[in-house]
Amino acid sequence: AQSVAQPEDQVNVAEGNPLTVKCTYSVSGNPYLFWYVQYPNRGLQFLLKYITGDNLVKGSYGFEAEFNKSQTSFHLKKPSALVSDSALYFCAVRDMITATSGNTPLVFGKGTRLSVIA
Amino acid sequence: ETGVTQTPRHLVMGMTNKKSLKCEQHLGHNAMYWYKQSAKKPLELMFVYSLEERVENNSVPSRFSPECPNSSHLFLHLHTLQPEDSALYLCASSQGDRGPSYEQYFGPGTRLTVT
Repeated sequence: AQSVAQPEDQVNVAEGNPLTVKCTYSVSGNPYLFWYVQYPNRGLQFLLKYITGDNLVKGSYGFEAEFNKSQTSFHLKKPSALVSDSALYFCAVRDMITATSGNTPLVFGKGTRLSVIA
Repeated sequence: ETGVTQTPRHLVMGMTNKKSLKCEQHLGHNAMYWYKQSAKKPLELMFVYSLEERVENNSVPSRFSPECPNSSHLFLHLHTLQPEDSALYLCASSQGDRGPSYEQYFGPGTRLTVT
């Protein structure tokens, strides 16, 4: 079974400081990993994904994430946080092995609320 | 976000009412999804449609009934709901449900309150 954990319900960071939102995963094979952001009263918006290749993935709005296979992690990062980055962030995973053999749902974490303080 | 639209954005209904949620995608995708988002719980996948055929139903109560008349439209018909069904209902689409690397694009959601 595949699962994803976001250990922090809330992350607070000062504007201009670097931010990290943590995500760890568990799959049988190799993972496909995704980050989404949800602003108030909006749907989820795709930020970036890791499929294969470079462990450092760059996405929208200056966000990036680093795939670490040994630690089964895919933490979301940004060098300098903006107040407008305040939102709910979701990590999601799909198992590559079961995905290619049939329908496999995208499994989401419970979300981490990021608050950037001016 | 304008790629996937949902109506209505807000809905208040009694337990004996019948209502429908509508989703439309303008992205040329062939897979569509319904999710339920409740406070402090992970997103729950409810239904998946691929090429207008239902391919997944995650043990959702029969008071929720999906309909996918074509690849651009998805409905969720609601009847005799319970207060615990109050949540944000999100629609999403993707290029294919069998493409594991395809990201999903979400609509803004319908905030449902059951009284």
